[in-house]
Amino acid sequence: LAKTTQPISMDSYEGQEVNITCSHNNIATNDYITWYQQFPSQGPRFIIQGYKTKVTNEVASLFIPADRKSSTLSLPRVSLSDTAVYYCLVGDPGGYQKVTFGTGTKLQVIP
Amino acid sequence: DAGVIQSPRHEVTEMGQEVTLRCKPISGHDYLFWYRQTMMRGLELLIYFNNNVPIDDSGMPEDRFSAKMPNASFSTLKIQPSEPRDSAVYFCASRQLGTNTGELFFGEGSRLTVL
Repeated sequence: LAKTTQPISMDSYEGQEVNITCSHNNIATNDYITWYQQFPSQGPRFIIQGYKTKVTNEVASLFIPADRKSSTLSLPRVSLSDTAVYYCLVGDPGGYQKVTFGTGTKLQVIP
Repeated sequence: DAGVIQSPRHEVTEMGQEVTLRCKPISGHDYLFWYRQTMMRGLELLIYFNNNVPIDDSGMPEDRFSAKMPNASFSTLKIQPSEPRDSAVYFCASRQLGTNTGELFFGEGSRLTVL
């Protein structure tokens, strides 16, 4: 399983764009990059997944460079409700792998 | 679908007592995972099942912990005897292999406090 490294915490003011970068130097060919969001007192929930280039949905954008050794989750114009822990996972969604979570990035949005 | 359902949501017990946590995965999902979350250790994978069969239990902390999945719609995590250090939030999650993203769907968790 590819190991991931991401910042432990980040602070941002409301209305700003937040970018959280994840390093995954030993990502395998079949691996995808997946981000989960966890609010206090809730289980994590899937927010976005990508393989290469850029993926965008109603919640976030995911930027993946050509070498795929890192990825950046971008949250546009954050609000207080975006305060959460964000986890970066790397693995083959179609593979028979156990799914483990790292420490995640605790994002605190400040009014 | 109602999502992954866990019970109880909160459990307070005394050291030495048996604790049983329950999980109903989403219908049709073929993988079930049990996680434990604490401030100190984060989100730890305890065990996961595929088609009701335990595949990897290397995360189970010790013999006091056991998990079963008697059928596709039910799983239990049992702690016997419980200790104060077992206090944590226990999450159950399920997924369906072969979907586009393989995403995990989590329950709301069971918060366990062992006094």
